[in-house]
Amino acid sequence: AQTVTQSQPEMSVQEAETVTLSCTYDTSESDYYLFWYKQPPSRQMILVIRQEAYKQQNATENRFSVNFQKAAKSFSLKISDSQLGDAAMYFCAPGTYSGAGSYQLTFGKGTKLSVIP
Amino acid sequence: SQTIHQWPATLVQPVGSPLSLECTVEGTSNPNLYWYRQAAGRGLQLLFYSVGIGQISSEVPQNLSASRPQDRQFILSSKKLLLSDSGFYLCAWSLGRGQPQHFGDGTRLSIL
Repeated sequence: AQTVTQSQPEMSVQEAETVTLSCTYDTSESDYYLFWYKQPPSRQMILVIRQEAYKQQNATENRFSVNFQKAAKSFSLKISDSQLGDAAMYFCAPGTYSGAGSYQLTFGKGTKLSVIP
Repeated sequence: SQTIHQWPATLVQPVGSPLSLECTVEGTSNPNLYWYRQAAGRGLQLLFYSVGIGQISSEVPQNLSASRPQDRQFILSSKKLLLSDSGFYLCAWSLGRGQPQHFGDGTRLSIL
């Protein structure tokens, strides 16, 4: 089974500044993907970014980018030019195949990000 | 485009009563379907997943069950709710390998 560690339960960032959220995971799989999800106060789970483990190039999605270090099993999320709407819980979620043919995600406990005006 | 509908949004039930939460997906075929529970301030715990009609896998032993009577319908049930069943329940779908999961808006379940 996978384990996912998000070591920062809470973080804050000034509006327009940059913040990095950390995530480490443990897996024995070689073929996997990684995701970051955002959960605002509405509690809707929103996909932020996706990374393929076999790609060395870090994924980027507008103001969001990742630093993926496969050997270290580290997958951090960088948010640039932070906006008030970025305030949310952020979950790291690696995904692998289960034994029954389904692709499953394992979620970390989350990091609560506050954005200070 | 694909959409996922989950209802009800909020539910208050007495201990010992039955439960039925429903989730439907539109705009895709043969999705993988998932039920999660989220305790307050915590991450998501996978309860059940399904790769096809009638195929259900359980991740956590409990008094909940799931069914998939149609390709794009996923139901979470209980015959007798416990206080510990309180939480936020999320349904999700995906198209499999490497694809993200897409979530419904969730059901807030309170047990009295």
